[in-house]
Amino acid sequence: QLQLQESGPGLVRASETLSLTCTVSGGSVRDTSYYWAWIRQPPGKGLEWVGSVYYNGNIYYNPSLKSRISLSTDTSQNQVSLKMNSVAAADTAVYYCARVASFSSSWYGWFDSWGLGTLVTVSS
Amino acid sequence: SYVLTQPPSVSVAPGQTASITCGGNDIGRKGVHWYQQKPGQAPVLVVYDDSDRPSGIPERLSGSNSGNTATLTISRVEAGDEADYYCQVWHGGDGGVFGGGTKLTVL
Repeated sequence: QLQLQESGPGLVRASETLSLTCTVSGGSVRDTSYYWAWIRQPPGKGLEWVGSVYYNGNIYYNPSLKSRISLSTDTSQNQVSLKMNSVAAADTAVYYCARVASFSSSWYGWFDSWGLGTLVTVSS
Repeated sequence: SYVLTQPPSVSVAPGQTASITCGGNDIGRKGVHWYQQKPGQAPVLVVYDDSDRPSGIPERLSGSNSGNTATLTISRVEAGDEADYYCQVWHGGDGGVFGGGTKLTVL
C-alpha cells in the first residue's frame, strides 16, 4: 500500500528557506503513471496547490509561488522535495505531499493518495 | 485567475440528502475532483473526473457537473460524513485550483 511521509523542520525563520522531503513507500517515484505534488493548508483555511513534479524533471508551479519554489525528485532515495525561499508568516501551513493520478500520466489529474502532512511555522 | 465558489456551510439531518455545489465559469468543460477532510486529518479523494468514485468510497457519494456548477451529492447522510469538502479543477496557467471548502454539519 502506498504511503507518503513528509519530513522537515517544523519552524523556519522569516526570510529563510523552507526545505521539505516526501518519502514514498509502497510505490516508486519513477512510476511513469504518476506525477507528485505538494499542497499546503494554512491553519483554519483551505487547500492550495503548490506544484507538481515528474520523475524526469517535468515541473509545474503555482504561478503565485513560482519565483520562490523549487521541486525535485530523488529516484535513488524514492523521495520528492520542496524548497521555498524568502518565507514569510503567510507561508505557515500544513504541507502535504500527494500522488497525482490521471488517465494519461498527465500533471492535471486528481490527488489520489496523500501524506499525513507536516506543519511548518514561520517565525519572525 | 480561475475561481471556484463553494458555500461555506451546509447542514443536513441524518438520513437526508446533502448537496454541495462548486461554481466556476464553464466548469462543465473541466474534470472536477472532490475531497473530504475530517478534523486533524489529511484530505481523502471521494470523487474524481466529475462522477467516478475511488475504491472504498460508498455509492452514497456521487458527483455531477454541467454548465457553471458541479455538485457533490451525499445520500442517506450519516454522522460520519461530517467533514469539510473541497472541489478541485485544473485551469490553464493557474494550475491546480481548489474551492474554498464547505463544512458539512450533520444535525
